[in-house]
Amino acid sequence: GQNIDQPTEMTATEGAIVQINCTYQTSGFNGLFWYQQHAGEAPTFLSYNVLDGLEEKGRFSSFLSRSKGYSYLLLKELQMKDSASYLCAVNSGNTPLVFGKGTRLSVIA
Amino acid sequence: GAGVSQSPRYKVAKRGQDVALRCDPISGHVSLFWYQQALGQGPEFLTYFQNEAQLDKSGLPSDRFFAERPEGSVSTLKIQRTQQEDSAVYLCASLLGGSPNTEAFFGQGTRLTVV
Repeated sequence: GQNIDQPTEMTATEGAIVQINCTYQTSGFNGLFWYQQHAGEAPTFLSYNVLDGLEEKGRFSSFLSRSKGYSYLLLKELQMKDSASYLCAVNSGNTPLVFGKGTRLSVIA
Repeated sequence: GAGVSQSPRYKVAKRGQDVALRCDPISGHVSLFWYQQALGQGPEFLTYFQNEAQLDKSGLPSDRFFAERPEGSVSTLKIQRTQQEDSAVYLCASLLGGSPNTEAFFGQGTRLTVV
């Protein structure tokens, strides 16, 4: 079976840093993705990790530890427009691109 | 086309009616995915194609759900005898290669409401 866990909701203050965690248990592993989804819109790609370590891309960074089945998405200098759902997805090999339930992030002033 | 296109954007169906949802992927994209997304939830995997081959349909919730991609481009998701629990947004995604180690592009989805 496959299990991908994320917190349901988080709240953070504009200008701050927030870390969204994702843990996974899958039968295989070929990479982990983070997507952003604003309400009523399609998911859009943020990052892809297949090797352990940190990938930085502007204000967003993503970290992976394969041995721990763990990833996080780090958002810096939060802006109001970052209020969205953040979806963790795993390519398990058997079933490509399986999503977690998503973390709804609210950025407040 | 420039992106993944889904039609219709909105569909209201009476319980028991059959519906067909269409997905036009980005031209040349090999892989195509269908997801079902309930309000406030993440996308739930339904099925996956590489070209015209349906490689995985383990997520289809019942035999009322059927998907095809006969020429390896446009795909149709058909739901027979719709039920209220089928109400959701149906998302289609495509990506260039045969394995998702690159970005998948999503359509805007079809919001299905069964009344």
